[in-house]
Amino acid sequence: EAGVAQSPRYKIIEKRQSVAFWCNPISGHATLYWYQQILGQGPKLLIQFQNNGVVDDSQLPKDRFSAERLKGVDSTLKIQPAKLEDSAVYLCASSLELGQPQHFGDGTRLSIL
Amino acid sequence: DAKTTQPPSMDCAEGRAANLPCNHSTISGNEYVYWYRQIHSQGPQYIIHGLKNNETNEMASLIITEDRKSSTLILPHATLRDTAVYYCIVRPNTGNQFYFGTGTSLTVIP
Repeated sequence: EAGVAQSPRYKIIEKRQSVAFWCNPISGHATLYWYQQILGQGPKLLIQFQNNGVVDDSQLPKDRFSAERLKGVDSTLKIQPAKLEDSAVYLCASSLELGQPQHFGDGTRLSIL
Repeated sequence: DAKTTQPPSMDCAEGRAANLPCNHSTISGNEYVYWYRQIHSQGPQYIIHGLKNNETNEMASLIITEDRKSSTLILPHATLRDTAVYYCIVRPNTGNQFYFGTGTSLTVIP
């Protein structure tokens, strides 16, 4: 079974620029998650989708972050404009259904100059 | 918002059992205990989960105390590849919020 695919693996941008990350979950997984992991900390949930609907986005900074999951499969997470404190690894995870174990991709490491 | 307490770091000799403790004294009756690990530069990897009973799979064993206030993850024969940060998480069976905390950094020593 193929795992969760994320791209790009690394991204370097200047503050105030825009950036987008892409995630392809495990085939058949209805639930998709985006996490932010700052160096030295555990991952923090940003947004959770069930199929193409948002289940929880309470931790998403909506003034600059947005995410979508068109057709209930792939997802993109966008930051516009980026701030220095957005430097982190952005992880995507998927699970078969709500309440099932989550499977993670290897993330996108974002550096803001 | 992490509901668990773990030691920040531990060492284990290669080939020996690694016993990683986790305290979750405020756990509710419908909350599961999950364990994940994160090897450097990789995403977290699911290991095991349980509610009340002890669980075992090909990776590890999970021992949950009778009062469910603490648990221990056991890696029976640690290898160098088990060096990672191990996260203990409690999660309601009706919700999907995972609070990862800062975990235990396990170093397996040759």
